Amino acid sequence: DAKTTQPNSMESNEEEPVHLPCNHSTISGTDYIHWYRQLPSQGPEYVIHGLTSNVNNRMASLAIAEDRKSSTLILHRATLRDAAVYYCILIGGSNYKLTFGKGTLLTVNP
Amino acid sequence: EPEVTQTPSHQVTQMGQEVILRCVPISNHLYFYWYRQILGQKVEFLVSFYNNEISEKSEIFDDQFSVERPDGSNFTLKIRSTKLEDSAMYFCANFGTAPGEQYFGPGTRLTVT
Repeated sequence: DAKTTQPNSMESNEEEPVHLPCNHSTISGTDYIHWYRQLPSQGPEYVIHGLTSNVNNRMASLAIAEDRKSSTLILHRATLRDAAVYYCILIGGSNYKLTFGKGTLLTVNP
Repeated sequence: EPEVTQTPSHQVTQMGQEVILRCVPISNHLYFYWYRQILGQKVEFLVSFYNNEISEKSEIFDDQFSVERPDGSNFTLKIRSTKLEDSAMYFCANFGTAPGEQYFGPGTRLTVT
């Protein structure tokens, strides 16, 4: 599986935008870029995914670099409920299993 | 929004005992997964199940583990003879509507004493 690199932790203030980076320089042409998050004491939760184009949904936006070697998850207005570990995961092949790294621990200050 | 449920929420068992963890997946989904998370560590893939058979399993998923869809709806993970190191949160997940969009259950906390 192609590897991703994320900062161990980031901090934000409530109601401010948050940009969570992810590097994936060995991404292959068929790999999808997925983001999941895990709130304290809960199971992972799907956030967003994309292949080549930027994507928006009700939770977040995903900005994908033109060469696809990096991406950024954007939370437009962080809330306290967004405090979680965020995982950037590449998925290819037909099995779609998720390989979790350590992710980025996002702290949101009131 | 579709929901995956898991029972029990917490299971305590003695070393060497068999446990069965149960999951009710989202109907009409074709891919099923089990993951585990040891306290303080990352989420680890155990096994994927498609078309009533295992499609992939990790090194963790040894002969002590098995999965079944006993009645076409429920999805179970059995550990035949539990060890202390099996203590973890076990998550069931279903494949959603897009490649890799998986819905996770709330998890079962397994404590082996």
